[in-house]
Amino acid sequence: KQEVTQIPAALSVPEGENLVLNCSFTDSAIYNLQWFRQDPGKGLTSLLLIQSSQREQTSGRLNASLDKSSGRSTLYIAASQPGDSATYLCAAPGETNAGKSTFGDGTTLTVKP
Amino acid sequence: DTGVSQNPRHKITKRGQNVTFRCDPISEHNRLYWYRQTLGQGPEFLTYFQNEAQLEKSRLLSDRFSAERPKGSFSTLEIQRTEQGDSAMYLCASSLSADTGELFFGEGSRLTVL
Repeated sequence: KQEVTQIPAALSVPEGENLVLNCSFTDSAIYNLQWFRQDPGKGLTSLLLIQSSQREQTSGRLNASLDKSSGRSTLYIAASQPGDSATYLCAAPGETNAGKSTFGDGTTLTVKP
Repeated sequence: DTGVSQNPRHKITKRGQNVTFRCDPISEHNRLYWYRQTLGQGPEFLTYFQNEAQLEKSRLLSDRFSAERPKGSFSTLEIQRTEQGDSAMYLCASSLSADTGELFFGEGSRLTVL
């Protein structure tokens, strides 16, 4: 059974700081790994998706990496802004891209002005 | 592309009542998923459809829960005889099976059982 862990559960940083969010998974047989952002009371917004054959993906100030062998993914946020304050979740489906994705419980980020 | 749409956004009901949520996926997406999320937790998988076929159900989906996707388009999730423990956000997502597997979520339907 896949288990996904995100550490830390909460993080508070001053504006402008670069930061890294961590995601670890127990079963390396994954089809992809997806990072999401969730604002309070809202649904999930897809940020980045890394295919199992890829090592990283970038979008603007965001960079996500994937190391299947060690069961880890990181989300790097450069030059953080107060608008980045949200909960960040990672998720991984099984190897065949079928069925459920397993989610971590998220890291709640607060960026202070 | 209007995104994934969920209705109603918020439902307050009394214990024992039945509730139904609707999800309209992105139009060309053949896969549709239901998840449940409680405060401070990540979403938990409930069930998923490929076209109209329900291919997988979680053990979380008790006999009181039923989901349908009759024509392979929209889906409904019905909860019968609601309990206070059913209070949660119910999230719907869709994806294209022949693609990257990227999930696209709706805004969710929040259920409060009094």
